[in-house]
Amino acid sequence: NAGVMQNPRHLVRRRGQEARLRCSPMKGHSHVYWYRQLPEEGLKFMVYLQKENIIDESGMPKERFSAEFPKEGPSILRIQQVVRGDSAAYFCASSPLKPGRGSTNEKLFFGSGTQLSVL
Amino acid sequence: TQLLEQSPQFLSIQEGENLTVYCNSSSVFSSLQWYRQEPGEGPVLLVTVVTGGEVKKLKRLTFQFGDARKDSSLHITAAQTGDTGLYLCAGAPNSGGYQKVTFGTGTKLQVIP
Repeated sequence: NAGVMQNPRHLVRRRGQEARLRCSPMKGHSHVYWYRQLPEEGLKFMVYLQKENIIDESGMPKERFSAEFPKEGPSILRIQQVVRGDSAAYFCASSPLKPGRGSTNEKLFFGSGTQLSVL
Repeated sequence: TQLLEQSPQFLSIQEGENLTVYCNSSSVFSSLQWYRQEPGEGPVLLVTVVTGGEVKKLKRLTFQFGDARKDSSLHITAAQTGDTGLYLCAGAPNSGGYQKVTFGTGTKLQVIP
């Protein structure tokens, strides 16, 4: 049973280019979350998606960032016109459950992340 | 914005020693989770605590949720080199909405053989 798959593991882009990060959730999971992690810091929530719907994008920068989770295929986090400040590790997590209030059954399963470096 | 502060930020100890990591906030959480993250990998869930005052044990790891559900601690007994990693606490808001779980700043633990 494959876990959450993210690719590429490492992505190098020059300023102004586009970055596309892919995430395939665990089998049977329809809830996908994207987080960003800067060195020596915790994870910052970016966006929560279900199939074909963006549920909560309150953590996403208003410009240049977009996310989708199509009916078929992986979830995509797209960063247009990248800048050096976008360099970070981007993690995707999936869950089988709809978010609820405080349950020990709520689990996030994380992928290994994509390390984005902007030159 | 709910903030979770972890202390200490860095910890380097000898194998066999005990240690405690703290996770504190001024906000109330409906549940709190602890993750361990190794370099180049995503976080892996260790435990979820839900009830104020709850204590959970996972082998040599003991997790406690504060009575007021604002803080938590992780105690490791007889640390091993395999315990090395970044420990993150994460709190789900009291108003519900798991997707807005807030991660702490992390404690980087190094266990020296």
